[in-house]
Amino acid sequence: GQQVMQIPQYQHVQEGEDFTTYCNSSTTLSNIQWYKQRPGGHPVFLIQLVKSGEVKKQKRLTFQFGEAKKNSSLHITATQTTDVGTYFCAAIGGGSNYKLTFGKGTLLTVNP
Amino acid sequence: GAGVSQTPSNKVTEKGKYVELRCDPISGHTALYWYRQSLGQGPEFLIYFQGTGAADDSGLPNDRFFAVRPEGSVSTLKIQRTERGDSAVYLCASSSKGPSSYNEQFFGPGTRLTVL
Repeated sequence: GQQVMQIPQYQHVQEGEDFTTYCNSSTTLSNIQWYKQRPGGHPVFLIQLVKSGEVKKQKRLTFQFGEAKKNSSLHITATQTTDVGTYFCAAIGGGSNYKLTFGKGTLLTVNP
Repeated sequence: GAGVSQTPSNKVTEKGKYVELRCDPISGHTALYWYRQSLGQGPEFLIYFQGTGAADDSGLPNDRFFAVRPEGSVSTLKIQRTERGDSAVYLCASSSKGPSSYNEQFFGPGTRLTVL
């Protein structure tokens, strides 16, 4: 089945530092979604990327979809303690237009 | 408005017992999904409903797992003869559009299942 690799698994930063998590697939994806899960919480949708090379911004968060639609990244500028949580990419592809395949996530911790 | 709700929030059972996990999706959402999340992992797809029918149950690990959505709203995930390896958080999600449109999924708080 489809697999999505996400790195790094963990990232610890000082408040104010930047953070990036990467998502890679060996197959071309239809689209990719990003979710955030706070400790003890459930995944919450952040954004969806559909077009090749697409870049979207949400305040301090920048999301990119690769030109080949096989990779994506989430970059957070000037992290805050409220950014703590696990960030998951979730891909749709492999002939399905609804089944999300989640990466293992990147756990971000922020030292105040 | 109300989000996706799941009951119970926690379920502790003994190996070999039968359990039912309930999901109430957002009103009007036609698509409903069940996922299983183990510690340190991303959610793993189990089954997808579009309306009342299970459009894709390819993620169910074996025939001990079954899910229904008889009226196209509430769904129940049923696990027979539970095993310790079934211990995980079971997440339900719903979305407002069918498979012809990609759409965000709204997740419930999950049911933490512990099989002793």
